[in-house]
Amino acid sequence: GESVGLHLPTLSVQEGDNSIINCAYSNSASDYFIWYKQESGKGPQFIIDIRSNMDKRQGQRVTVLLNKTVKHLSLQIAATQPGDSAVYFCAENGSGGGADGLTFGKGTHLIIQP
Amino acid sequence: IAGITQAPTSQILAAGRRMTLRCTQDMRHNAMYWYRQDLGLGLRLIHYSNTAGTTGKGEVPDGYSVSRANTDDFPLTLASAVPSQTSVYFCASSRQGGTGELFFGEGSRLTVL
Repeated sequence: GESVGLHLPTLSVQEGDNSIINCAYSNSASDYFIWYKQESGKGPQFIIDIRSNMDKRQGQRVTVLLNKTVKHLSLQIAATQPGDSAVYFCAENGSGGGADGLTFGKGTHLIIQP
Repeated sequence: IAGITQAPTSQILAAGRRMTLRCTQDMRHNAMYWYRQDLGLGLRLIHYSNTAGTTGKGEVPDGYSVSRANTDDFPLTLASAVPSQTSVYFCASSRQGGTGELFFGEGSRLTVL
């Protein structure tokens, strides 16, 4: 079936370095993608989103890249800080026509080393 | 600004008991959702509602029911809890179904013994 997944379950980076978290999706009907951050014991929080008519979108210290040709999504975090330590989820809206919520990947745990 | 409020935050429940997880939003969002989160499986959609008076099944609806009597409330009921329903449950809302950001509550941790 259609699924959204992440290449690596855990990513360890040095504080101050850039982080890149990857996501593969398989539903070509998806036209909206979103990244969430989840800190321990809390609900997911919105980071950034992108629509399929774009291939790049920038926020504060974060950039999302979308490659529709290979169905790949990535989240880049610049100058990673200790507060960036969390699980990151990508999500897409293509499954079931979109009206029934987002389909989430399984998450990548970002660990920041001092 | 409260956003999404879930209750209880944590509950231990005997198998076979009935349980309702409450969810209230104060953002006047049309769409609401219930997800469960399990290690290694991520967030999976249980049920959703695109507007008051309507509901739909998600990826894992069995053993759960929902109602949407008004815009603000979206309770999730386990009619007869089983241990496999041990999970963290997240309620979410969005302005419209199918697009846009989902706003999540802080979760309800349920343990079924």
